[in-house]
Amino acid sequence: QSALTQPASVSGSPGQSITISCTGTSSDVGGYKYVSWYQQHPGKAPKLMIYEVTNRPSGVSNRFSGSKSGNTASLTISGLQAEDESNYYCSSYTTSSTLIFGGGTKLTVL
Amino acid sequence: QVQLQESGPGLVKPSETLSLSCTVSGGSMSSYYWAWIRQPPGKGLEWIGYIYSTVSTTYHPSLKSRVTISVDTSKNQFSLRLSSVTAADTAVYYCARDSSRGYGDFDYWGQGTLVTVSS
Repeated sequence: QSALTQPASVSGSPGQSITISCTGTSSDVGGYKYVSWYQQHPGKAPKLMIYEVTNRPSGVSNRFSGSKSGNTASLTISGLQAEDESNYYCSSYTTSSTLIFGGGTKLTVL
Repeated sequence: QVQLQESGPGLVKPSETLSLSCTVSGGSMSSYYWAWIRQPPGKGLEWIGYIYSTVSTTYHPSLKSRVTISVDTSKNQFSLRLSSVTAADTAVYYCARDSSRGYGDFDYWGQGTLVTVSS
């Protein structure tokens, strides 16, 4: 199974909004509501930010939101803050009952 | 508060078997899926597989022939064995709890342990 496709990098200025895309196929992203997003600071374990496409775990800022259209899921971060600078990964359930991650996106806050 | 902690050798020789354990504290292992995920240095995350209860496992297709995940609920531990390792298996290995019955909502993670494959 090939990794989901994410842009290698995105950037934005403090206060702006950015969107990270995650493109798969009808066998994964497009076929299920089970897309998650993770934030990973260097040297740290990933942190769950969004699950089941749009849901935020308790304690995650409402500046983080998720959506999906067809085979592409998106993570939007509004009101960018310096601490949002990190690596972000999407994941999806697949028709093979397996899980697949995206290649990761490095977010730079200018 | 649920906590996960990986343990095992940090160095494994090529062709040998990598063995790691994950100890779960602060909560029961029942009713959850438990996963292993790895990350080669400087690269992205790769799901290895998960286990539910003591007998239900699912593995990454490309690793399936070399991977075994098992659980010992009496010790609150689950384990990973990866056979015939090569340098490509060098990675930080994470254990994680899936709160969504195997659909990929990993809400608790271990800190990760670096395993290097080298002679």
